[in-house]
Amino acid sequence: DTGVSQDPRHKITKRGQNVTFRCDPISEHNRLYWYRQTLGQGPEFLTYFQNEAQLEKSRLLSDRFSAERPKGSFSTLEIQRTEQGDSAMYLCASSLLSAAGGSQEQFFGPGTRLTVL
Amino acid sequence: AQSVSQHNHHVILSEAASLELGCNYSYGGTVNLFWYVQYPGQHLQLLLKYFSGDPLVKGIKGFEAEFIKSKFSFNLRKPSVQWSDTAEYFCAVLFGGGGNKLTFGTGTQLKVEL
Repeated sequence: DTGVSQDPRHKITKRGQNVTFRCDPISEHNRLYWYRQTLGQGPEFLTYFQNEAQLEKSRLLSDRFSAERPKGSFSTLEIQRTEQGDSAMYLCASSLLSAAGGSQEQFFGPGTRLTVL
Repeated sequence: AQSVSQHNHHVILSEAASLELGCNYSYGGTVNLFWYVQYPGQHLQLLLKYFSGDPLVKGIKGFEAEFIKSKFSFNLRKPSVQWSDTAEYFCAVLFGGGGNKLTFGTGTQLKVEL
């Protein structure tokens, strides 16, 4: 399967613990996005990378959240000192920035479901 | 603020009925428009997209959508639904044409009954 993959698929943690999620995009895609989805809502944008550069962060991304894409391939999203309000599905997507500079469609991974007890 | 609205949160149809799901957005500039579908237990998949050109776009599985700029709408349609179309449908917009982040609607849960 050459789609976007995420690991782990499920994570249960206790409040105050740190968690880290990984996303592997489609190999030739230079853009990588993180979204968060809560029950009954559509996904909400968190941040995105073009290659290894983090170009935009949502105000939803508090100081406890950090994302990296060190070699422009896979990405990690870390949440420090988790809170119950962090419980959500964390989605990763990737896309290819075309030579003309236009955005292409984003392909989504299966998500990591985080439950904070 | 730029936003996307899906007015139908839950829709129940019988097989062979016609489907239309509404999507409106609040922005007068260039937009790229998408419909994604999430089948039970699966990840988001692209149904169709509009970037430019013919405002009537056709997607996979017999779905189509029409971009009406004057109404800021991008409604999804299918003439005859099947039980396998049971899923959640999300409208999403890239504002500004070259925008980078998708703004999603809240989704419409479609249930198709036999």
